[in-house]
Amino acid sequence: ETGVTQTPRHLVMGMTNKKSLKCEQHLGHNAMYWYKQSAKKPLELMFVYNFKEQTENNSVPSRFSPECPNSSHLFLHLHTLQPEDSALYLCASSQITLAGGNRQETQYFGPGTRLLVL
Amino acid sequence: DQQVKQNSPSLSVQEGRISILNCDYTNSMFDYFLWYKKYPAEGPTFLISISSIKDKNEDGRFTVFLNKSAKHLSLHIVPSQPGDSAVYFCAASAGGSNYKLTFGKGTLLTVNP
Repeated sequence: ETGVTQTPRHLVMGMTNKKSLKCEQHLGHNAMYWYKQSAKKPLELMFVYNFKEQTENNSVPSRFSPECPNSSHLFLHLHTLQPEDSALYLCASSQITLAGGNRQETQYFGPGTRLLVL
Repeated sequence: DQQVKQNSPSLSVQEGRISILNCDYTNSMFDYFLWYKKYPAEGPTFLISISSIKDKNEDGRFTVFLNKSAKHLSLHIVPSQPGDSAVYFCAASAGGSNYKLTFGKGTLLTVNP
């Protein structure tokens, strides 16, 4: 099983639909993340979950609703999205540790869900 | 305002030569830096990282150099191979309890056979 998996890989939805993106990590990590990558823009952090607790909400509109039922699974619930929300949504996980005084925050990414909102 | 900048959107090099990818940052609180590689239709893959207490980290063909005074880091790939053709992202994080990464826009590297 690959480290971080995401489903679906592609999604087309209308503005009135409700859908969910799923992410699963098989690396035993304690933190999970949602990122958005729009065309010609850097990856933008949306949410961070550390030990299942949301520790970061990067000013994301409420039409995006994350859920982290356990340390291995992360969902992004979508409702009443706008066409400008069309993007690649990436999930990542990491093991937040202190090693010899240096932090290690290497994040491992899933393949992403390509979302198109019509 | 972008805190991590990759000013070259693309770079083309010949197979066997050195590829040098550059990254500049503005936030002096950044103390951990990473490079990711991304192929089309895949998520970014971690390549190499460096802590601010070091100025160089090497892993096989990949070496990352950090110049803190200039707030500049670079990734050297030598020798470059056609399979290295991908988008390379520079990322940085700051100390404290907030472990978020700030990414650059990426540089598309093309290695020609």
